[in-house]
Amino acid sequence: AQSVSQHNHHVILSEAASLELGCNYSYGGTVNLFWYVQYPGQHLQLLLKYFSGDPLVKGIKGFEAEFIKSKFSFNLRKPSVQWSDTAEYFCAVNSPSGGYNKLIFGAGTRLAVHP
Amino acid sequence: SQTIHQWPATLVQPVGSPLSLECTVEGTSNPNLYWYRQAAGRGLQLLFYSVGIGQISSEVPQNLSASRPQDRQFILSSKKLLLSDSGFYLCAWSERREQYFGPGTRLTVL
Repeated sequence: AQSVSQHNHHVILSEAASLELGCNYSYGGTVNLFWYVQYPGQHLQLLLKYFSGDPLVKGIKGFEAEFIKSKFSFNLRKPSVQWSDTAEYFCAVNSPSGGYNKLIFGAGTRLAVHP
Repeated sequence: SQTIHQWPATLVQPVGSPLSLECTVEGTSNPNLYWYRQAAGRGLQLLFYSVGIGQISSEVPQNLSASRPQDRQFILSSKKLLLSDSGFYLCAWSERREQYFGPGTRLTVL
């Protein structure tokens, strides 16, 4: 069965620090990869996605993620975080099996950014 | 643009009572619809999905059921709630490979 692992459950950073959140998935076939973000009191929002092509994808608010197929990884990065990036971040994967309907989520990483 | 609504936003129910959570989508037709449960520290778990009216796929055996009586309406139900049904329930829709989520319902079973 497919699974998604997020290595850090809680991350605390100061403003302007760099961010990297790890995500690894277990599925050997074609995958689509996503990062979602949930700001306090808000809906879960799509941050960025990877379907194919350039493995370095850019999303909203200065976030980017790199797909490394050989490592089954899709890590999220931001060069300089802001207080407003405080949120919970979820990595997710789906695949053609199941018609892309089965979106598998990691457990999430809570990021707290201190001013 | 598409919007997704869920209600109620919060709900407190006694054990053994019935449940009905509703989700509706606007601005799209024939979407795929999904119910997830979010547990603290465990991410989101897919409960049900539907690719059309009356078509429901269940992902995990449980005390809950889902129905899709109209194209853009998805309902999550239970005949008798258990304590373990407490959680945050999210509805989502998709047209292709991306899913978009509603605001969620916080259910507390006492």
